[in-house]
Amino acid sequence: SYVLTQPPSVSVAPGQTARITCGGNNIGSKSVHWYQQKPGQAPVLVVYDDSDRPSGIPERFSGSNSGNTATLTISRVEAGDEADYYCQVWDSSSDHYVVFGGGTKLTVL
Amino acid sequence: EVQLVESGGGLVKPGGSLRLSCAASGFTFSSYSMNWVRQAPGKGLEWVSSISSSSSYIYYADSVKGRFTISRDNAKNSLYLQMNSLRAEDTAVYYCARDGPPGTGWFDPWGQGTLVTVSS
Repeated sequence: SYVLTQPPSVSVAPGQTARITCGGNNIGSKSVHWYQQKPGQAPVLVVYDDSDRPSGIPERFSGSNSGNTATLTISRVEAGDEADYYCQVWDSSSDHYVVFGGGTKLTVL
Repeated sequence: EVQLVESGGGLVKPGGSLRLSCAASGFTFSSYSMNWVRQAPGKGLEWVSSISSSSSYIYYADSVKGRFTISRDNAKNSLYLQMNSLRAEDTAVYYCARDGPPGTGWFDPWGQGTLVTVSS
């Protein structure tokens, strides 16, 4: 089965740039999607198809994907960005149709 | 406004059954694949099941295969998850989520979730 690996936690000071990685075997050949989940709330899509942003998501959120690593980048981090972030792919080549990473807790110092 | 509202969660004993529902509004429900995703307390997201727009294609996670059944009623704009032979490890918040356009594989939006607790 396909596995996505995320760091459990990332910490960053306000105004700095946060980078959250998502590792997977040849993940660059797949489309990666990212979700933000704040405590007690449902997940929200923040980046889809590696680097596109849904309407209403600030330009500070961006994504990239190459080789074995996809990255969610949050520029000019704000206190309100503190949340759990999950990467996800659609693995049509296996029975494990949808795969999520384990999640990364972003802490704004 | 696109909206998904889950219901049907609750406390059930191990081995019991429960049926979750997801009411959709604000979009043409019959045009989209739909999904169930769960989150155990303090844990990450786990995909449970997906169903195509016409119910032609159905997929399950190995952890629920043979015990859970996904279905939909396009006339009622509703998605369902029949859960049988429930186990303690099925305890989680269950979210329904709409698929993106065909072939994209992303989920947006998500419902607010319904809590299922399996305990004696």
